[in-house]
Amino acid sequence: DGGITQSPKYLFRKEGQNVTLSCEQNLNHDAMYWYRQDPGQGLRLIYYSQIVNDFQKGDIAEGYSVSREKKESFPLTVTSAQKNPTAFYLCASRIQPSGNTIYFGEGSWLTVV
Amino acid sequence: GNSVTQMEGPVTLSEEAFLTINCTYTATGYPSLFWYVQYPGEGLQLLLKATKADDKGSNKGFEATYRKETTSFHLEKGSVQVSDSAVYFCALRVNSGNTPLVFGKGTRLSVIA
Repeated sequence: DGGITQSPKYLFRKEGQNVTLSCEQNLNHDAMYWYRQDPGQGLRLIYYSQIVNDFQKGDIAEGYSVSREKKESFPLTVTSAQKNPTAFYLCASRIQPSGNTIYFGEGSWLTVV
Repeated sequence: GNSVTQMEGPVTLSEEAFLTINCTYTATGYPSLFWYVQYPGEGLQLLLKATKADDKGSNKGFEATYRKETTSFHLEKGSVQVSDSAVYFCALRVNSGNTPLVFGKGTRLSVIA
């Protein structure tokens, strides 16, 4: 089935460690996005990419990094510079140029221990 | 800039009650409007959308009408069920380039039997 797969579903990080969240899609979508969700808050955009080897910062990019080496994959690294990384992370994608709807993965929970 | 304001929750209703969740927006350009639903521990699913003024989106008994004159996209359902308990997000996307979705903060709905 086509869709967006995020892994792992749950991840624990020690302070000072970098961790990488995986996002893979087999929808042949061009654009991909990473959002962060905190309890009681809406979604905030971290990074997005519209084509391979290109990406742009969103509203809260500090402490995060991404890569887009393949169309299907858009991994997010949460670095030790991110001071408050505990959150729910959502990956999304959209077909370009005419697709209007953004589709989401199931999300990854990151907890700092 | 672009922004979405939706009514704060939580909203608690009895089964078969009428639901309205208000959503208003500000946007530069001509946005498409969306309602997404998030069930506990899951990612976001598209519930309905409207791409131009006076369009009505509908799905699963929910509906919302794109009102340009009041810059609103209120979500309604005539008779809610316990299974509708979730968080509902209003969002917009300006139809230009690779602009990402802009979300409201979400409204938690709890339906009790």
